[in-house]
Order: sequence, then structure tokens, then C-alpha cells
Amino acid sequence: EIVLTQSPATLSLSPGERATLSCRASQSISDYLAWYQQKPGQAPRLLIYDASNRATGIPVRFSGSGSGTDFTLTISSLEPADFAVYYCQQRIKWPLTFGGGTKVEIK
Amino acid sequence: EVQLLESGGGLVQPGGSLRLSCVVSGFTLSSFTVSWVRQAPGERPEWVSTLTDGGQTFYRDSVKGRFTISRDISTNTLYLQMSGLGADDTAVYYCAKAAPASSFENWGQGTLVTVSS
Repeated sequence: EIVLTQSPATLSLSPGERATLSCRASQSISDYLAWYQQKPGQAPRLLIYDASNRATGIPVRFSGSGSGTDFTLTISSLEPADFAVYYCQQRIKWPLTFGGGTKVEIK
Repeated sequence: EVQLLESGGGLVQPGGSLRLSCVVSGFTLSSFTVSWVRQAPGERPEWVSTLTDGGQTFYRDSVKGRFTISRDISTNTLYLQMSGLGADDTAVYYCAKAAPASSFENWGQGTLVTVSS
């Protein structure tokens, strides 16, 4: 099973600041990585697919990069609606797996 | 507009069975891959099972032999038949639609399954 490790577990930032989230895979997953945002009581929402492609309707302040084993989600300038939990997920190999999440909280 | 609506969750005793349903609209089950994903309270999402547009099925090891994914194309409904339920099956269960380059592009709102005596 491919293990995805996200860091940090919690990121405390202020609105307007830049957020940088990391996801590391236990083996190479090429660019078959997605990022999701989840708010309390809601389903995850797809942000980024195939490492760097924004999903439909996702603002340009969200960007993804990386390939192989190391990936980054960047939020260029945090809006109040961006404070949430973010998960990465790989789709190269069964079972599909998610990372443990990074909580972006208001400082 | 793509929509997915789950139902069928509830409280079930250990060892019991439950069938979850997911009615979809805005697309046809015969043309897209769909999955069930669950999330226990405070935990990361966990993939459970996938049914491809071609009819192939995939399961995580912990549910193989206990869960069955299926679809009714005439009613555009996805199912998850669960049996031999245990406490570690307690979670919100989501159905999700794939896109060509993503596993879970659209999600339902989820249905809660609680396994407890």
C-alpha cells in the first residue's frame, strides 16, 4: 500500500498569508496525485488533480506542484473560506489512499 | 449538474448487514467509474470500493468478501451491500464519481453508518 505523509499536521496562518502544504509518497506515484479541501460536516472537494491541474471552479490562488514522491499544495493568499483540512490522494495503485491531512487554522 | 445522493445509513448491531444506495443525476452510471469512500470521525477518508464503467469491481482488503458494490443502470443507482459489520466500519459513507484524471471529482453528502450494540 502506498502511504502518503502530509506535513505539517497543522498550519496556523493569518488571512492574506501564503500556505505551503506538503505530501510525500512512500514510492513514486508519477503525477497521479490529487488534493482535496474538507470543511466540517461537508464532503471533501476536489481542488487539484494530476498534481498540478486545478479542478473546475477552483480559484487560481490554489496551485499544485511536484512529481514522483514529493508534492506541494500552495495557497498564494489565504481567504477566510480557505481555513479547512486538506488531504492528498494517490490513484496510481490499488488501494487508493489518502494522506493524514493538514489543518489550516486561523492564527 | 452532477448530483449524488446517498441513503440507507443507520445504527446496526455488530455482525449485521446494511445496504447503502446512491442515486445519481447529471450522468449515467454506465459511462463513469464510481466509488464508495468512508470517513470515520476525526480520521482521513478511506477508499472502500470502486465500480468501473466497464463493470470491474475493486475492494479494499478489509471489506473483501463482506461488501459488494453494484449498480442499477435503469434507476441510475449505485449500491453498497455490507455484511459482517464491525465497529471499525463505523463511518460516514460517501459515493463519488470519477473523472478521466481524478478518482473522486464529485461527492455526495454522505450517509452515517454506526455499528454498535
